[in-house]
Amino acid sequence: NAGVTQTPKFQVLKTGQSMTLQCAQDMNHEYMSWYRQDPGMGLRLIHYSVGAGITDQGEVPNGYNVSRSTTEDFPLRLLSAAPSQTSVYFCATLSNYGYTFGSGTRLTVV
Amino acid sequence: QQPVQSPQAVILREGEDAVINCSSSKALYSVHWYRQKHGEAPVFLMILLKGGEQKGHEKISASFNEKKQQSSLYLTASQLSYSGTYFCGTEVGNTGKLIFGQGTTLQVKP
Repeated sequence: NAGVTQTPKFQVLKTGQSMTLQCAQDMNHEYMSWYRQDPGMGLRLIHYSVGAGITDQGEVPNGYNVSRSTTEDFPLRLLSAAPSQTSVYFCATLSNYGYTFGSGTRLTVV
Repeated sequence: QQPVQSPQAVILREGEDAVINCSSSKALYSVHWYRQKHGEAPVFLMILLKGGEQKGHEKISASFNEKKQQSSLYLTASQLSYSGTYFCGTEVGNTGKLIFGQGTTLQVKP
């Protein structure tokens, strides 16, 4: 039982490049979310999903796309990376006992 | 809309008590509390649901005033391990869409 697995753990991108942050869970949870956390700041919601095939925007969705084709996977795509997207990204799943977070992906855009 | 936490920072001695507050301008379905240590992912502490139900750890207590849309987290007889940043997250409706406050940094000194 791995919980919530995020890959990669670290990534450096050049401005304009695209990439996908992976998130997988093995707890069969319907609700999943992506957050970004900037230094000294709280967690800001990017996108979330209430089940396979259903996604919605959070507080800061611009520049990011998501899809949810299966219950297990919820990838986050950066369409054209910008330095402002340098951050730590957390994926999380929701159960009756709150959100379980993955270990995070530290992304630097140069 | 982001909930507002207070205070922004607290410094305690071991054994002292602390209260962290979280307020929202919207009617809430639930309030979550998480603790994050430096370089780690947030960890679930407590969820308080509209109607009074609470789920969480035994050593942590919290309250939820539905009329005022305010929640408070009570840390009693603090230990060094309580140090970290505490976040409240608020949910409007049973949507799984959790918006976090800016965080409260707690430092417990020997």
